[in-house]
Amino acid sequence: NAGVTQTPKFQVLKTGQSMTLQCAQDMNHEYMSWYRQDPGMGLRLIHYSVGAGITDQGEVPNGYNVSRSTTEDFPLRLLSAAPSQTSVYFCASRRTGGSTDTQYFGPGTRLTVL
Amino acid sequence: AQSVTQLDSHVSVSEGTPVLLRCNYSSSYSPSLFWYVQHPNKGLQLLLKYTSAATLVKGINGFEAEFKKSETSFHLTKPSAHMSDAAEYFCVVSANNNDMRFGAGTRLTVKP
Repeated sequence: NAGVTQTPKFQVLKTGQSMTLQCAQDMNHEYMSWYRQDPGMGLRLIHYSVGAGITDQGEVPNGYNVSRSTTEDFPLRLLSAAPSQTSVYFCASRRTGGSTDTQYFGPGTRLTVL
Repeated sequence: AQSVTQLDSHVSVSEGTPVLLRCNYSSSYSPSLFWYVQHPNKGLQLLLKYTSAATLVKGINGFEAEFKKSETSFHLTKPSAHMSDAAEYFCVVSANNNDMRFGAGTRLTVKP
């Protein structure tokens, strides 16, 4: 199993540009989520999905869109990038057996918005 | 509502000495608690988790944590630090299936 994969690893955008961060998992996990990591703030939940066709907002959803058309993929879209979205983004997945299940994290995408 | 406070942003120990990383939590429900480790430029790896079974939880690499409800704490310990333990550690609380709240992190430095 490849686990959770993310592309790209690095990205530089100009303010106002749009882009999609890709996330895929091959563990047949129902639950997938996106976090952003900023210095001194830990990880904050952006959006999550409990299965194909179902998404919901996390702690910091503004400026981001998600969709879940398949179990494997959970892309994160920035429609109009802003400097405040400069961060490291992590995708994670787990089974939906409960909050006790281990989350598996991808390697991260480092995004800079100029 | 739930939240986590990691009491130290940076901890420095000498190799071979004990490690203590402190975490207090707040939760309206019976929480699940986790410790994750992040090595430089890497993703996050689960160290251990508390799920309302034994209050003393053993994890990987010799780490363990004790859940103390009366003190709302879940401190992470290791008897003897190794150079490879140098990393950032995150305490995490979850009171339902879908909302995990991370602490701000504690950077552990291990001196030779």
